[in-house]
Amino acid sequence: GAGVSQSPSNKVTEKGKDVELRCDPISGHTALYWYRQSLGQGLEFLIYFQGNSAPDKSGLPSDRFSAERTGGSVSTLTIQRTQQEDSAVYLCASSFVASGSTRQFFGPGTRLTVL
Amino acid sequence: KNEVEQSPQNLTAQEGEFITINCSYSVGISALHWLQQHPGGGIVSLFMLSSGKKKHGRLIATINIQEKHSSLHITASHPRDSAVYICAVEGTSGSRLTFGEGTQLTVNP
Repeated sequence: GAGVSQSPSNKVTEKGKDVELRCDPISGHTALYWYRQSLGQGLEFLIYFQGNSAPDKSGLPSDRFSAERTGGSVSTLTIQRTQQEDSAVYLCASSFVASGSTRQFFGPGTRLTVL
Repeated sequence: KNEVEQSPQNLTAQEGEFITINCSYSVGISALHWLQQHPGGGIVSLFMLSSGKKKHGRLIATINIQEKHSSLHITASHPRDSAVYICAVEGTSGSRLTFGEGTQLTVNP
């Protein structure tokens, strides 16, 4: 496909379990972003990757959150020991070049529900 | 005070009306983005601008860097324009976006 894809589209888990969310960016895009949108709240930045540079992790809310990007393409966001406040839609976006201000293309998101 | 402020929070219009959504920001930026989020949740990038004005169909976005202000205009609004419109700024030290709270637009037929 031509767009950013994310999986799963929905994830229901129990408090305390670990979850992995996947993002497939647009082919050739060097920058990849993770954002979160909690119910009734605005979007917030979590982490971004640009090429081989060290990721900007400044938006991760706690050390239970981590992300990696393998081979400069697919990214996985991992949440360990999930809490109810982690329930949100997790959005991934990619862009061709991170510097020089380029348009970001968003995936459909993964809706995470922690019971 | 949020770094990005949007107004109004909610806007209801009749089909055909001219609509303006405003965005003010308090930090230095390299670009400002306007996004559209449909009721199903999907987000589409409408504009990215760092100066002046851009137009796409019935949508126009303007930015005034000196005043740290941007506007999104919709001409001849239509019910299918109903969505949340989000202003986001890109800082000078990286591409991470800082978002406004969004404006819920409802256009009635």
